[in-house]
Amino acid sequence: DGGITQSPKYLFRKEGQNVTLSCEQNLNHDAMYWYRQDPGQGLRLIYYSQIVNDFQKGDIAEGYSVSREKKESFPLTVTSAQKNPTAFYLCASSIALAGVSYNEQFFGPGTRLTVL
Amino acid sequence: RKEVEQDPGPFNVPEGATVAFNCTYSNSASQSFFWYRQDCRKEPKLLMSVYSSGNEDGRFTAQLNRASQYISLLIRDSKLSDSATYLCVVRRNNYGQNFVFGPGTRLSVLP
Repeated sequence: DGGITQSPKYLFRKEGQNVTLSCEQNLNHDAMYWYRQDPGQGLRLIYYSQIVNDFQKGDIAEGYSVSREKKESFPLTVTSAQKNPTAFYLCASSIALAGVSYNEQFFGPGTRLTVL
Repeated sequence: RKEVEQDPGPFNVPEGATVAFNCTYSNSASQSFFWYRQDCRKEPKLLMSVYSSGNEDGRFTAQLNRASQYISLLIRDSKLSDSATYLCVVRRNNYGQNFVFGPGTRLSVLP
């Protein structure tokens, strides 16, 4: 079955530690995204990548880093510089054809990160 | 003002009721529009795209008014399983990353 997987489902981190969230997709999508969702709030974009070896900052990139070495994988590292990292993190992917409208985003099941 | 705004909710309705959600967007150049559904502690999933002519999928009807920059979602004969948060999503243009999510409106359908 095609889809997006994220791991782990739950993650606990001590203050001062870096942690990496995994995101893998087998939909053959070029574009991948990381969002953060806080309780009662909409999704906010952290980073996105339109193609392998290229990525762009979103609205709230400070304290996060990403890599895109393979089309299928887009891991997110939450660094100790992120002041309030406790949140629900969602990875998504979509086709990335320029000029194509209505290409929806597909989401992974998410990772809940809690800083202790 | 947020780029995408929705009814604050929550909406609590009895089974069988008709419920309408409203969404407004501020960027007049926006190109594509969607309604996503998000169950509690789960990922968002596409409910339906919203086309200029309006579109219907079973009990769900979506409308777009570009002049007023307004999108709506109507759910008829609501079911208990419709309980979720409904997210309005707007794509600014068809190039690059530019999906903007509204904060969502929570719906509870009561027996």
